[in-house]
Amino acid sequence: GAVVSQHPSWVICKSGTSVKIECRSLDFQATTMFWYRQFPKQSLMLMATSNEGSKATYEQGVEKDKFLINHASLTLSTLTVTSAHPEDSSFYICSADRGTQETQYFGPGTRLLVL
Amino acid sequence: QKEVEQDPGPLSVPEGAIVSLNCTYSNSAFQYFMWYRQYSRKGPELLMYTYSSGNKEDGRFTAQVDKSSKYISLFIRDSQPSDSATYLCAMRLTGGGNKLTFGTGTQLKVEL
Repeated sequence: GAVVSQHPSWVICKSGTSVKIECRSLDFQATTMFWYRQFPKQSLMLMATSNEGSKATYEQGVEKDKFLINHASLTLSTLTVTSAHPEDSSFYICSADRGTQETQYFGPGTRLLVL
Repeated sequence: QKEVEQDPGPLSVPEGAIVSLNCTYSNSAFQYFMWYRQYSRKGPELLMYTYSSGNKEDGRFTAQVDKSSKYISLFIRDSQPSDSATYLCAMRLTGGGNKLTFGTGTQLKVEL
């Protein structure tokens, strides 16, 4: 149990376009979902935390107007990178947990390349 | 000083060796401890989750927590080439939501 999926796994887009990444908990209802960004050979950097039906809480330094998060249901959260630029190219990973006493289960990640 | 310190490696061992991966932390409020394994270009996979001092064993993996010393370890017995990955320690406070604080990760290579 505790499977998290992400779609797409790979996306290439032109500078200035927007990209949407989906994160789904497949076999459980997620109390909270998290979005991370990871650069090569670095650890995960938390971008934002979201709860179903609430506005996401962004970490310091993360532009909420650029990284739009929608947590539409207990099994789906989306991250939209608006007006993407080459510096937004990165590995984006979501995670979800099942409750306050639980840990996070991670999706397989989405690799974004902005040309 | 970072809240969680982890030796980045890389660590190279021969197949069959016992591997010891370690993290230290400075915040005594951390009460929940995890080890994740991350293969290249993949999301982290939960290996061990524990919240009490002592040892927890799962197959070839043993997680050890020493809250008095603020030190956690992951031991891998009979290491295999398939264990080659980056290992991330993570920890969480009691209350305050479920945000995790990660170590920087240790890159492990198990060679034939």
